[in-house]
Amino acid sequence: QKEVEQNSGPLSVPEGAIASLNCTYSDRGSQSFFWYRQYSGKSPELIMSIYSNGDKEDGRFTAQLNKASQYVSLLIRDSQPSDSATYLCAGNSGSRLTFGEGTQLTVNP
Amino acid sequence: SQTIHQWPATLVQPVGSPLSLECTVEGTSNPNLYWYRQAAGRGLQLLFYSVGIGQISSEVPQNLSASRPQDRQFILSSKKLLLSDSGFYLCAWRGDRRNTIYFGEGSWLTVV
Repeated sequence: QKEVEQNSGPLSVPEGAIASLNCTYSDRGSQSFFWYRQYSGKSPELIMSIYSNGDKEDGRFTAQLNKASQYVSLLIRDSQPSDSATYLCAGNSGSRLTFGEGTQLTVNP
Repeated sequence: SQTIHQWPATLVQPVGSPLSLECTVEGTSNPNLYWYRQAAGRGLQLLFYSVGIGQISSEVPQNLSASRPQDRQFILSSKKLLLSDSGFYLCAWRGDRRNTIYFGEGSWLTVV
């Protein structure tokens, strides 16, 4: 079992819709979770972090964490074509950060 | 503010040739440093991490090695490259105790 797994995608949504990205993790000791956005050919950039159960909102982005279900999600409201990228979920395992394989999102104008 | 730089940005190397990728971090001291590799269309694989000068932990046995000769310098090396070493190499540093990490610009390596 992979430590961090993401819905494989690719995911395609129309402009203005809500994009939902999901991730599960296997290490119950993980405390910190992150979402990174990676444009093609570029390095990942951090867009959200979450440490407590519940929701965390930042602009059009909402991260959700459910430690009992070992589940992390990212919602992107009012999706824009500029949101088209690969989204990487990550969780800590001790002092290491483990990444999922990413979900490719395409927002169609 | 903290910044991280790595170079070269792209390189094409023949099989069996050596490799050296360098990374430096500015604006912080004694950072945790990481080398990740991303194969085409895949996720990030942690290769090495370092918590201090001369302290290197290897995550995956392979023909790569890492060194940290100075506090804010991290180097990824190979004596003889394999075709399977091709990929996108990313240096990163840990920004806080929550394990938030930030990436450099990345280095594209193609082994031919």
